[in-house]
Amino acid sequence: GAVVSQHPSWVICKSGTSVKIECRSLDFQATTMFWYRQFPKQSLMLMATSNEGSKATYEQGVEKDKFLINHASLTLSTLTVTSAHPEDSSFYICSASLQGGTEAFFGQGTRLTVV
Amino acid sequence: QKEVEQDPGPLSVPEGAIVSLNCTYSNSAFQYFMWYRQYSRKGPELLMYTYSSGNKEDGRFTAQVDKSSKYISLFIRDSQPSDSATYLCAMSGAGTDKLIFGTGTRLQVFP
Repeated sequence: GAVVSQHPSWVICKSGTSVKIECRSLDFQATTMFWYRQFPKQSLMLMATSNEGSKATYEQGVEKDKFLINHASLTLSTLTVTSAHPEDSSFYICSASLQGGTEAFFGQGTRLTVV
Repeated sequence: QKEVEQDPGPLSVPEGAIVSLNCTYSNSAFQYFMWYRQYSRKGPELLMYTYSSGNKEDGRFTAQVDKSSKYISLFIRDSQPSDSATYLCAMSGAGTDKLIFGTGTRLQVFP
């Protein structure tokens, strides 16, 4: 299957700082990537759809100014959590699909802890 | 009512047992059905992918889709302790690659 790499795998930051998470498709090009958030023992909640070369599409209830998404190339999307607070602590996961395909391949996830 | 319903478990079985995991859904537009396995603190790993109704087998795993009943299943034969993980069903409709996930079922296979 296709490989999606996410970095970092974990990060601890102070409240009020910003954190950037990278998602790369290593062996394929992805015009669309997805960002999810997952709380302990819960399923994945879609936050936004990242579109290469255009603005991301955010799900209802997700703050655009807080969760900045940039998809500057066909292999890289970034999620920046701005002015992070303890309630932003969560597991963030990205996914990408092969062009024309529907199977989604996921990154390893990033565990964010805001202290 | 959620679009996709999945029993959260946990489901605890002895090694060698046959495991049946299920999801029901309400949206008749769903055409693509997937099963993912997620180990603790890791991203989901795609296990099975099926289109429309029918069965698909891959090693010890069999995926079934019954669109008339809006019901999908994943069977694991000869379960192993290494199969202990959370299993997520996911589905999407035609013309979209946005996935809708079930809540996941936590499976424990004990030796």
